[in-house]
Amino acid sequence: QSALTQPPSASGSPGESVTISCTGTSSDVGDSDSVSWYQQHPGKAPKLIIYDVTKRPSGVPDRFSGSKSDNTASLTVSGLQAEDGADYYCASYAGSNNWKYVFGTGTKVTVL
Amino acid sequence: EVQLVQSGTEVKKPGESLQISCRGSRFSSSTYWIGWVRQLPGKGLELMGLIYPIDSDVRYSPSFQGQVTISVDKSISTAYLQWNTLRTSDTAMYYCVRLGKGGYSNNWFDPWGQGTLVTVSS
Repeated sequence: QSALTQPPSASGSPGESVTISCTGTSSDVGDSDSVSWYQQHPGKAPKLIIYDVTKRPSGVPDRFSGSKSDNTASLTVSGLQAEDGADYYCASYAGSNNWKYVFGTGTKVTVL
Repeated sequence: EVQLVQSGTEVKKPGESLQISCRGSRFSSSTYWIGWVRQLPGKGLELMGLIYPIDSDVRYSPSFQGQVTISVDKSISTAYLQWNTLRTSDTAMYYCVRLGKGGYSNNWFDPWGQGTLVTVSS
């Protein structure tokens, strides 16, 4: 099962927006209503920020939003803040494969 | 609030065995799957496998099948990740995770344990 493809890096100035893509196939992202996103600060455990493509867990700012089109999911961070600088990973349920879950390659977001 | 608490840092030599643990809550009556995720130094996340505490049904990622053993003791709400023969390439941070809602399908990973750093070096 191949990892989902994300850009290695993205950046923006405070207050700007940044969008991260997560590209899979018709067997995972394209066939799933369960794409999730995770934020990981250096030395910390990942934290769930988006699930089921567009939903935010309680406590996650509404600056974070998710979407999906065909085989590509996207995470948008609006109104960038310094604390948004972190690594971001997508993940997808891959129901049509024997092994059911796959992560993305990860994107490092830098707030300039 | 559900929390997953992992065992501490381990330093081992190649060829040694190791078991690390992850303690949660109410495994014995929980319909939530528990998994292990590997993060190699400076690299991304890889799901190693998932276990269903109620009946110990285990699903391994093809990359990790035969390399590790995932188990659970539901009487003490603890999941385990075990190696019989460690290699230097097993040096990594290991996280336990819970599938966020009951059931195996169409799920997400939440919460995460704090991580266990395993260093294998001669």
